[in-house]
Amino acid sequence: DTAVSQTPKYLVTQMGNDKSIKCEQNLGHDTMYWYKQDSKKFLKIMFSYNNKELIINETVPNRFSPKSPDKAHLNLHINSLELGDSAVYFCASSQNDRSNYGYTFGSGTRLTVV
Amino acid sequence: GQQLNQSPQSMFIQEGEDVSMNCTSSSIFNTWLWYKQDPGEGPVLLIALYKAGELTSNGRLTAQFGITRKDSFLNISASIPSDVGIYFCAGPTQGAQKLVFGQGTRLTINP
Repeated sequence: DTAVSQTPKYLVTQMGNDKSIKCEQNLGHDTMYWYKQDSKKFLKIMFSYNNKELIINETVPNRFSPKSPDKAHLNLHINSLELGDSAVYFCASSQNDRSNYGYTFGSGTRLTVV
Repeated sequence: GQQLNQSPQSMFIQEGEDVSMNCTSSSIFNTWLWYKQDPGEGPVLLIALYKAGELTSNGRLTAQFGITRKDSFLNISASIPSDVGIYFCAGPTQGAQKLVFGQGTRLTINP
């Protein structure tokens, strides 16, 4: 019955590889987000999609490409992984594209690039 | 851009003590949100505040929306071991298209 689920939970990979993280929400929300949490626990938004449309694209390298096949799914593909990409990536969702009521977060994907 | 500053960055307290932490900004926010993150989990919403001066409780947690709309406070009374974690304040940017987060207050409790 998980509201926002991400897979995998842990991902260890070598530099230069390409990897994907998947996210699904069963809350019926219209808007989904990807946040990155660095080693100091700072949370920074990367992307947001509203009803499959890209709304926010922060200054994220082109190697990161989100894809939303439908409003319940938002996946993150990362090409040519670098050491600095190591972080915890959180998927989140909200009822609509107004953030006043907060988000529901997934439990995170810890990406380690070696 | 709009930034949120939390203090203290970390707290080490004894079980049973009360805890206070705050969040400030140089910009006005119309909504303040407080989240808690347990180890290995995502942040979970604790309290939402929508009006300047508003005081809202959730069990042993009480949060206040500052009168100037540039700050918010979170208090935890009679702390217990499960209160351990990182507490984040957050607020929607102008246009409310995204949430910005403070850098967090890490709470550690000695039994």
